[in-house]
Amino acid sequence: AQKVTQAQTEISVVEKEDVTLDCVYETRDTTYYLFWYKQPPSGELVFLIRRNSFDEQNEISGRYSWNFQKSTSSFNFTITASQVVDSAVYFCALSEAARDDKIIFGKGTRLHILP
Amino acid sequence: DAGVTQSPTHLIKTRGQQVTLRCSPKSGHDTVSWYQQALGQGPQFIFQYYEEEERQRGNFPDRFSGHQFPNYSSELNVNALLLGDSALYLCASSFGTGNTEAFFGQGTRLTVV
Repeated sequence: AQKVTQAQTEISVVEKEDVTLDCVYETRDTTYYLFWYKQPPSGELVFLIRRNSFDEQNEISGRYSWNFQKSTSSFNFTITASQVVDSAVYFCALSEAARDDKIIFGKGTRLHILP
Repeated sequence: DAGVTQSPTHLIKTRGQQVTLRCSPKSGHDTVSWYQQALGQGPQFIFQYYEEEERQRGNFPDRFSGHQFPNYSSELNVNALLLGDSALYLCASSFGTGNTEAFFGQGTRLTVV
């Protein structure tokens, strides 16, 4: 069955601290995509990254980095030197592209960056 | 370049009524998907439209229906509204099928009283 688990419901850190958001997924397929989205209070889902199942290279984009480990079915997201503007709900998601286009989301992690 | 636009942004309806939500996809996109996001939950896939046909459907009752127009815009209709239908409804657009690079709109917040 397809499933995305974000065990951390809510995290609070002080500004400039590093924070890691955990994501564990389940899928029977060998071809799939993993995503992270950010949802600020405005409600719009902001795309952060898409990673296909054949690319296990870690990625860094500015203060954001992602660690994809197929062996543990995890796709964790780290924000370095956090800022107040990073406060939002973050969703990890999965799509089994060979099966259909729907994106399966986790329940999200609400991140509070305290000044 | 306009992104995905949804209307209205907020809506209040009474139980039993019907509602229509609208979505205009990002320029160049021809596929529209709809998601329901209940409070405190992740979005859940309702259905996807491509070439004016419903291509895929999630686990939602027939009260939820949709339409796609020749200009690729889409409507989501919900009949016989229940209190549990209160949620943020998100529209996502993409190009073609088998393409998971979806862009989301800001959503329509529906409250059923």
